Amino acid sequence: GDKVKQSPSALSLQEGTNSALRCNFSIAATTVQWFLQNPRGSLINLFYLVPGTKENGRLKSAFDSKESYSTLHIRDAQLEDSGTYFCAAENTGNYKYVFGAGTRLKVIA
Amino acid sequence: DPKIIQKPKYLVAVTGSEKILICEQYLGHNAMYWYRQSAKKPLEFMFSYSYQKLMDNQTASSRFQPQSSKKNHLDLQITALKPDDSATYFCASSQEINTEVFFGKGTRLTVV
Repeated sequence: GDKVKQSPSALSLQEGTNSALRCNFSIAATTVQWFLQNPRGSLINLFYLVPGTKENGRLKSAFDSKESYSTLHIRDAQLEDSGTYFCAAENTGNYKYVFGAGTRLKVIA
Repeated sequence: DPKIIQKPKYLVAVTGSEKILICEQYLGHNAMYWYRQSAKKPLEFMFSYSYQKLMDNQTASSRFQPQSSKKNHLDLQITALKPDDSATYFCASSQEINTEVFFGKGTRLTVV
């Protein structure tokens, strides 16, 4: 089964509204990263997390290693937030990050 | 000013041929990785290297061979290309293995 499961798979948001994306892990994740893949295909780093929370502008992310999930909150969504959001998890002893399937977000005016 | 340079950006290859995808990073990182993204699957891990030493290999086929001539280089040689190899190949790097990973812009490979 999927080691990193993202939900929802797709989302349409009205400009100015808020939403939350989620990743559930079936591996013992020790660190998590969130990326935005923009329409040109570039992967942009959003957050790198050990257990805890981080905030950057309109984005806020949390990682709970005991409950095996991470969330990404988007506040006041803007058109340029559109793209595919990926989370990736690493667990100790494995020399790689495992990616979820992504959440395709479209922000509409 | 990109710090992880992948060349070429686009590549079209004939079935059965061999190609080398180039990756060099100027971040001073000690770990480098290759990932693949195809239309049907999410980003898939292929290889990880730390201080030019192979750490993990999740690629079933020996047709994929990473080559690290210098600490900041990790090229990917692909032999006997198949149409199923068509994908975007991303190189990435991090300061140390499994710290924050940064990605290049990818090489989009099409095998015809």
